[in-house]
Amino acid sequence: GAVVSQHPSRVICKSGTSVKIECRSLDFQATTMFWYRQFPKQSLMLMATSNEGSKATYEQGVEKDKFLINHASLTLSTLTVTSAHPEDSSFYICSARDLRDTGLLEQYFGPGTRLTVT
Amino acid sequence: AQSVTQPDIHITVSEGASLELRCNYSYGATPYLFWYVQSPGQGLQLLLKYFSGDTLVQGIKGFEAEFKRSQSSFNLRKPSVHWSDAAEYFCAVGARGNDMRFGAGTRLTVKP
Repeated sequence: GAVVSQHPSRVICKSGTSVKIECRSLDFQATTMFWYRQFPKQSLMLMATSNEGSKATYEQGVEKDKFLINHASLTLSTLTVTSAHPEDSSFYICSARDLRDTGLLEQYFGPGTRLTVT
Repeated sequence: AQSVTQPDIHITVSEGASLELRCNYSYGATPYLFWYVQSPGQGLQLLLKYFSGDTLVQGIKGFEAEFKRSQSSFNLRKPSVHWSDAAEYFCAVGARGNDMRFGAGTRLTVKP
């Protein structure tokens, strides 16, 4: 149980275009989903927290107009990188918290999406 | 605010040798601690977690970790390393209702 998927696993796009990454909880409902970014050989940095039906909360320094997050249902959150540039190339990982986890303790991670902007 | 420190960026051990990866945390309340492993180009796999109770936690793949409140540490151990254990290891701290913060990671190389 507690499986999170991401689609696509890899994407290459041209500079100036937009890319959408999906994060789905497959066998549970997620009240909260998190988006992380990981540069090569570095740790995960939290970008934003999204709750179903409300606006995402962005970490300091993350441009909300560039990284659009939509959490329209309890099983799906999307991250759209708008007007992508080469410096946006990175590994994006999502995680989700189970609605039934009343202790609000654990997150389940997706496999990640490798974005390359040319 | 919670934070996690992994003092060792890179560790090399011989196959069959024991392993200890260090993790120190800073948090004002009761921390919830995790160890994850990441192979190149892959997502995170949970090795083990500590929420409460027994301070020695057993995880998957033969790993264990010990929570030491007095030292603010949660070190990961394995008695005998296998070549397939070569990967990046992340310690993370969370709290009820809050997000998770990750350490910088420790890259493990296993020598044959």
